[in-house]
Amino acid sequence: DTEVTQTPKHLVMGMTNKKSLKCEQHMGHRAMYWYKQKAKKPPELMFVYSYEKLSINESVPSRFSPECPNSSLLNLHLHALQPEDSALYLCASSRGQGYGDTIYFGEGSWLTVV
Amino acid sequence: AQSVTQPDIHITVSEGASLELRCNYSYGATPYLFWYVQSPGQGLQLLLKYFSGDTLVQGIKGFEAEFKRSQSSFNLRKPSVHWSDAAEYFCAGGSNTGNQFYFGTGTSLTVIP
Repeated sequence: DTEVTQTPKHLVMGMTNKKSLKCEQHMGHRAMYWYKQKAKKPPELMFVYSYEKLSINESVPSRFSPECPNSSLLNLHLHALQPEDSALYLCASSRGQGYGDTIYFGEGSWLTVV
Repeated sequence: AQSVTQPDIHITVSEGASLELRCNYSYGATPYLFWYVQSPGQGLQLLLKYFSGDTLVQGIKGFEAEFKRSQSSFNLRKPSVHWSDAAEYFCAGGSNTGNQFYFGTGTSLTVIP
């Protein structure tokens, strides 16, 4: 089973709202990722958690706040977003961050900021 | 700098024709490489991967790719394209000298009847 589950699939939020995206995997993977993808563009890395610790933050604005409650769950808390933050947010996981570790992606959460 | 390049932004093929999508990498060390496919409105699905061993790798949905170190390439091929193969294809990879993972810019595939 190579499944990464993301909820919700679609989210519409106002610029003053607080919402969260959730991601879950049960593959025993110890690395989890958040990517942002705009239409017709490749995914852009936002955050990486390794063994439940934040290991990479690609200079993401503080209105995006990641959280890794345990090795299977990854959240992305959203607050005071801008319309340009509307995008597909992809969660992914891998066994580790080592050579050859395959990154498996979820179906994504479509976010629209109004 | 380490990178992955997909020279073709968009490719159109007829159903039943053969397909080759190009991917070039720039790594000084030993690379590992992947091909992902993304259908409209979907996440990324892994087609195949290479990190050592046989340079011709088989993937799902009838795809294969060949790692050619001399040409710094990892091109994706399929002998006969189906209409359902229309999608965005991303080449991606990393190397054994770092833990960063890079995506190419993607190739959009259109299949005409």
